[in-house]
Amino acid sequence: DTEVTQTPKHLVMGMTNKKSLKCEQHMGHRAMYWYKQKAKKPPELMFVYSYEKLSINESVPSRFSPECPNSSLLNLHLHALQPEDSALYLCASSQDPTADRYEQYFGPGTRLTVT
Amino acid sequence: EDKVVQSPLSLVVHEGDTVTLNCSYEVTNFRSLLWYKQEKKAPTFLFMLTSSGIEKKSGRLSSILDKKELFSILNITATQTGDSAVYLCAALTDKLIFGTGTRLQVFP
Repeated sequence: DTEVTQTPKHLVMGMTNKKSLKCEQHMGHRAMYWYKQKAKKPPELMFVYSYEKLSINESVPSRFSPECPNSSLLNLHLHALQPEDSALYLCASSQDPTADRYEQYFGPGTRLTVT
Repeated sequence: EDKVVQSPLSLVVHEGDTVTLNCSYEVTNFRSLLWYKQEKKAPTFLFMLTSSGIEKKSGRLSSILDKKELFSILNITATQTGDSAVYLCAALTDKLIFGTGTRLQVFP
């Protein structure tokens, strides 16, 4: 089973709203990732959690706040977003990032529209 | 600056054709090269290549890595309309660095 699940599938929010994106995997993976993907562009890395600790933050604005409550769950809290933040947000996971097998498996994404 | 470059940017072929997609990379602390297929939503994993010269194969798809020349190719033989997608390659360092992708369209 190589499934990563994400909810919701679609989200429309205003610039003053607070919302959260959720990601879950039950593959025993110890690294989890958030990516942002704009139309016709490749995914851009936002955050990496390794063993539930934030290991990489790609200079993402503070209106995006990640959280890793346990090894299976990853959240992305959104607050005061801008219309240019509208994109597909992808979650991914991989096995122990220090081991040999570290291909990343992606969830289906959340299509976010900021109005 | 780390970069991954794919070519061609797009490709239009007929069913049954064979295609070769190219990926070159210049990154520090290279660990492996990954290929993904992306249709409407999430990228789906195809191959991970770590060693030079060893071909990986899955059905009609195959891929090989050349660590001396810093490139990889993805071959698809006997293409089908279901192969239509964007193919992404990514170099793994401490993170995945994606190329811009090759958009493949296969017509009947």
